[in-house]
Amino acid sequence: SYELTQPPSVSVSPGQTARIICSGDALPKQYAHWYQQKPGQAPVAVIYKDSERPSGISERFSGSSSGTTVTLTISGVQAEDEADYYCQSADNNGTYVFGTGTKVTVL
Amino acid sequence: EVQLVESGGGLIQPGGSLRLSCAASGFIVSSNYMSWVRQAPGKGLEWVSVIYSGGSTYYADSVKGRFTISRDNSKNTLYLQMNSLRAEDTAVYYCARDPGGHDFGAFDIWGQGTMVTVSS
Repeated sequence: SYELTQPPSVSVSPGQTARIICSGDALPKQYAHWYQQKPGQAPVAVIYKDSERPSGISERFSGSSSGTTVTLTISGVQAEDEADYYCQSADNNGTYVFGTGTKVTVL
Repeated sequence: EVQLVESGGGLIQPGGSLRLSCAASGFIVSSNYMSWVRQAPGKGLEWVSVIYSGGSTYYADSVKGRFTISRDNSKNTLYLQMNSLRAEDTAVYYCARDPGGHDFGAFDIWGQGTMVTVSS
C-alpha cells in the first residue's frame, strides 16, 4: 500500500479559509475522500471522490485535486469546524489508506 | 434507520483472542464492502480489513495472519476475529460501510466504535 501525507496542524481565525493538503503518489489514479472527526466521535465524510459533497454537509466544505495532491478547503471557518481531518483513498489491491491527519484549530 | 453497532471490545492480555461484532440495520451487509478501521489512543485512523460483497477479504500488513474478517448473512452482522493480540493492537475499532466498492472506495456509514485494550 502507499502513504498519504498531511500537515499535522492548521490554525485559522473564524471567518477565514482553511486549506488542508493531502499528498500521495497514487492520487492521480485514485479518488480521495475527506473525513471530519471530533473528539470521542466516529469520523464523518465531508468530501467524496475528490470534490463531491455528501448530503447534509455544509457548502463551506469543498475539495479539489491536482496531480499528486488533493485539497480540502473550509471557507468561512466556524468554531464548530475545529476537528481532526483525514484524507483517504483506496488502491486496486483491495486495501484502503488514510492520511496522517490534520488538526484544525480555530483561533 | 441505517446504522452500525459494534460490540465485543474489552481488556485482554497479550497473546489472547477477542471477537468483535458489528450489527447492521437498514441495509444488507453482504451487498456492501465492509471494513474494520481502528484508531489507537491519540493517533490517526488505520484501515484494518475489508470483506467484499463477493466474499474476498483483504488485510493490513500489521494484522495479516492474526485477524480474520467474516460476516453472518443471516444475522446481518460483520465480525473481526483477533488472535495473538499485541499491545499495539490497543485501539478503538470501528466498522464502516463502503457502498460502492471499487467505484467508490469511501466509507459512508460508521459505527460508534468499540475499545480494545491489550495489557497484562
